[in-house]
Amino acid sequence: GQSLEQPSEVTAVEGAIVQINCTYQTSGFYGLSWYQQHDGGAPTFLSYNALDGLEETGRFSSFLSRSDSYGYLLLQELQMKDSASYFCAVRGDRGSTLGRLYFGRGTQLTVWP
Amino acid sequence: DAGITQSPRYKITETGRQVTLMCHQTWSHSYMFWYRQDLGHGLRLIYYSAAADITDKGEVPDGYVVSRSKTENFPLTLESATRSQTSVYFCASSERLGMNTEAFFGQGTRLTVV
Repeated sequence: GQSLEQPSEVTAVEGAIVQINCTYQTSGFYGLSWYQQHDGGAPTFLSYNALDGLEETGRFSSFLSRSDSYGYLLLQELQMKDSASYFCAVRGDRGSTLGRLYFGRGTQLTVWP
Repeated sequence: DAGITQSPRYKITETGRQVTLMCHQTWSHSYMFWYRQDLGHGLRLIYYSAAADITDKGEVPDGYVVSRSKTENFPLTLESATRSQTSVYFCASSERLGMNTEAFFGQGTRLTVV
């Protein structure tokens, strides 16, 4: 099966930088994704790492190290609107997990003024 | 409208009743998923479908039934609702497997079983 671990909550102030870590145990996956979910809303896609290394999209960056079974989401220049839950996710690429999309339990980010 | 839509948005039902949650997508995505979201558990996969007439169980399938006779629709049925099935249910879709695994979510159905 697939298992993803991330911290349950993180707090930071506006303008700061925060890193949300994700460690995983999988039998094989296509890549590591990150999703954002505001209270009462639907999860929305943020980023995807197919290969090891850093991917940057504006204020957000995501990193993957397959050898360490580890990834993170880096949020810079935090804004109040970044307060949300963030989920890491993997898509199975073989056997009984093929095609399935698995999520971690989510990290609640609170940004203070 | 284009996109993925769920109905109803809110539902209250009684224990033992059958309930069907609807999901419709207009992109002709191959993959569709049903998740339930409960505090402390994140998003747990109930069922998924790789194409029309192909469905498979996820992590928490007990008490649920799905069908997919058409690519665009993926209804989820609770055969005999229980209080433990009170949750927020999300439907999602994505293109066929490949490097891009972005999934698109519906707005969710908040189900309360009393």
